[in-house]
Amino acid sequence: RKEVEQDPGPFNVPEGATVAFNCTYSNSASQSFFWYRQDCRKEPKLLMSVYSSGNEDGRFTAQLNRASQYISLLIRDSKLSDSATYLCVVNWGDYKLSFGAGTTVTVRA
Amino acid sequence: DVKVTQSSRYLVKRTGEKVFLECVQDMDHENMFWYRQDPGLGLRLIYFSYDVKMKEKGDIPEGYSVSREKKERFSLILESASTNQTSMYLCASSLNVLEQYFGPGTRLTVT
Repeated sequence: RKEVEQDPGPFNVPEGATVAFNCTYSNSASQSFFWYRQDCRKEPKLLMSVYSSGNEDGRFTAQLNRASQYISLLIRDSKLSDSATYLCVVNWGDYKLSFGAGTTVTVRA
Repeated sequence: DVKVTQSSRYLVKRTGEKVFLECVQDMDHENMFWYRQDPGLGLRLIYFSYDVKMKEKGDIPEGYSVSREKKERFSLILESASTNQTSMYLCASSLNVLEQYFGPGTRLTVT
């Protein structure tokens, strides 16, 4: 079983729509959670950390559900520039980050 | 801005060749990482270094070695390249492990 699992998508949405997707993790001892964004043929970049109480960064909202071992990302008012692959990343307190394979979002005009 | 550079964007090598991938960061970060990224598998950690001359194996170290002689430079070595090492290789550096800054990647093809 993979440590971090994501629906690969693609999620194909019109501009202005809301899109949301989840990521599940297998290790209940996981301590830190993140969403990274990777544009086509580019390197991953940190989008946002995910806190226990949930957090927002502009149009992006991240939630953590420890009981069910998943995190979610919601994008409101989608822009064309939001088209990317979103990587779910988990750390359980050591040096290692575990990356999901990514969820691809395509925003169409 | 943190800058992580990798020596090549694209590389084509033959089976059995020794391959060197170089990574340099300019932010004085202690930690540096080498990953490979394959479709459907996500990023997998090959090796990690938390200090000069220190290294730790990641999840898939077989067939690879690393060198960190200077703080800013972390090299990945494929001792004898094989076709199953065809992949995108990403280097990253970080101050605290959690927020990692990635280089642009090297797409290696082994024929």
